[in-house]
Amino acid sequence: DTEVTQTPKHLVMGMTNKKSLKCEQHMGHRAMYWYKQKAKKPPELMFVYSYEKLSINESVPSRFSPECPNSSLLNLHLHALQPEDSALYLCASSQHGTREDTQYFGPGTRLTVL
Amino acid sequence: KQEVTQIPAALSVPEGENLVLNCSFTDSAIYNLQWFRQDPGKGLTSLLLIQSSQREQTSGRLNASLDKSSGRSTLYIAASQPGDSATYLCAVRRMDSSYKLIFGSGTRLLVRP
Repeated sequence: DTEVTQTPKHLVMGMTNKKSLKCEQHMGHRAMYWYKQKAKKPPELMFVYSYEKLSINESVPSRFSPECPNSSLLNLHLHALQPEDSALYLCASSQHGTREDTQYFGPGTRLTVL
Repeated sequence: KQEVTQIPAALSVPEGENLVLNCSFTDSAIYNLQWFRQDPGKGLTSLLLIQSSQREQTSGRLNASLDKSSGRSTLYIAASQPGDSATYLCAVRRMDSSYKLIFGSGTRLLVRP
């Protein structure tokens, strides 16, 4: 099973809402990633978890809060977002987080902030 | 700073044609390069990964080459089909980074029946 799943597929939220994005993989991968992709732009790395520990935060605003409850799950908690945060949020995983790894991507959550 | 460029930004070809997509990068100190496919509004599917010590990788009708010294990679698609229509992204992994992929902006491919 080489699948990364993400829920929900679509999310519309107001600027005062709190919501969460969820990502799950059952490939035994120990590195998980959050990317943000604006329309017609390439994905940009936001966070990396390696062995359930936050390894990289690419200077992401604190209104985005990642969480890795266990090795299979990755959440992204959203609070007080801005309309410019509307984007496709992609989750990925890889075996160890080493340079040799192939990253496997989920289908993404399309987020709209009103 | 590593920059990745993909040309052309968009390409339209008739079915059956062989085609080449280009990717260039400014810093040759890369560990590997990966080609992805992305269908509209969907996630990325990994197509091929080339390590910096390799010159090419093949999978089915796809062949990717890497010339690290000149900072270039090409993705060759043989006998294109309408189902190949998608955006193709290349991404490089720097030598000093385990995690970070630096993506190009992609080439939007349309294969006309």
